[in-house]
Amino acid sequence: AQKVTQAQTEISVVEKEDVTLDCVYETRDTTYYLFWYKQPPSGELVFLIRRNSFDEQNEISGRYSWNFQKSTSSFNFTITASQVVDSAVYFCALTLLNFGNEKLTFGTGTRLTIIP
Amino acid sequence: NAGVMQNPRHLVRRRGQEARLRCSPMKGHSHVYWYRQLPEEGLKFMVYLQKENIIDESGMPKERFSAEFPKEGPSILRIQQVVRGDSAAYFCASSLPAGNGEQYFGPGTRLTVT
Repeated sequence: AQKVTQAQTEISVVEKEDVTLDCVYETRDTTYYLFWYKQPPSGELVFLIRRNSFDEQNEISGRYSWNFQKSTSSFNFTITASQVVDSAVYFCALTLLNFGNEKLTFGTGTRLTIIP
Repeated sequence: NAGVMQNPRHLVRRRGQEARLRCSPMKGHSHVYWYRQLPEEGLKFMVYLQKENIIDESGMPKERFSAEFPKEGPSILRIQQVVRGDSAAYFCASSLPAGNGEQYFGPGTRLTVT
């Protein structure tokens, strides 16, 4: 069975600092997708990124960047120059694309607080 | 193109009552997933449905919970005889059968059992 671990339960940083959220996953499958979602205080889920298991290129989108390393089964997320609006709970997730069943396995989330 | 819609957004039920949560997928989407988020926890998969079929209900409690996705109309998650432990946010997501892992989430229904 697959598993996603987000060991950091809560992180607080001062505004403008960089912060990295860790995600480690477990699966025996070779074909899978990894995701990051943001859940702001309003409660909805905001999609941030999807990455398939065959694409290990790092990705940058504005202040956000992702580091995918299959060798360590990690998919870490870095926010550069953090802002108060980044305060939220962040979830990492995995899906196996198993015969069309794309159910997501989520980590327990990291609560990020940006201190002004 | 409207996104995934869920209603009600907030639902309060007394212990023993029934809760019905609705999810209207994005237009053209035939796959629906339900997830539950208990307070201060991550989301947990409950059930995966295609039109008129339950494909995977491995995450759904065996008793009191049921789900359907009829040919016409929204998907329904039904909880009978609710208990305090059912208080949670329930999210649905829809997708095409595209095989690319792309799911679109609704805003969630917050169920409070008093």
